[in-house]
Amino acid sequence: DSGVTQTPKHLITATGQRVTLRCSPRSGDLSVYWYQQSLDQGLQFLIQYYNGEERAKGNILERFSAQQFPDLHSELNLSSLELGDSALYFCASSVPTGALDEKLFFGSGTQLSVL
Amino acid sequence: GESVGLHLPTLSVQEGDNSIINCAYSNSASDYFIWYKQESGKGPQFIIDIRSNMDKRQGQRVTVLLNKTVKHLSLQIAATQPGDSAVYFCAEKFNNQGGKLIFGQGTELSVKP
Repeated sequence: DSGVTQTPKHLITATGQRVTLRCSPRSGDLSVYWYQQSLDQGLQFLIQYYNGEERAKGNILERFSAQQFPDLHSELNLSSLELGDSALYFCASSVPTGALDEKLFFGSGTQLSVL
Repeated sequence: GESVGLHLPTLSVQEGDNSIINCAYSNSASDYFIWYKQESGKGPQFIIDIRSNMDKRQGQRVTVLLNKTVKHLSLQIAATQPGDSAVYFCAEKFNNQGGKLIFGQGTELSVKP
């Protein structure tokens, strides 16, 4: 168990809908990362938050947004869902040491199926 | 461009044998590399890492080798066990991009008892 909690584990929805994925980082971790894992694209970095502030952005669509709350949990909001958004979404957290070898701890993911 | 790729998408080995999983990276500016293991239904789990100023690093039953000349990374697993069956990903990191990791496509390791 990595200590990173993601809910829900599975989510089935229809095209055009909006969903929210939730992540609770490990105790003490200030940084949260979101990754998307699809069969054709592999693991892709979406976005990073550090202590409530957006720190880095990757290949995140404009239909997607995220935020990190004062209690450090994070939510990833996906709107106007398309079939191609079906994927496994992972959250990871880390202690922001600023060092090159800062370790990421991944949750078990949320499997999103858009029908 | 930014890409990390794996030579072998699947690898099947006999229990007790050594496994070697390979990875090619394209960005010579990458200064940190990590191997992750992902079991079914779980998230990636850190195995071992190596900085670009090193050629080799050993852990418990695992060794990572880095050849910067040909931009090649490998993971060696000694005495492979059924519990090692999983998908293995290499990832690279550029120091000037903070904590963002670039992952390879993954290799599925299957260990036959």
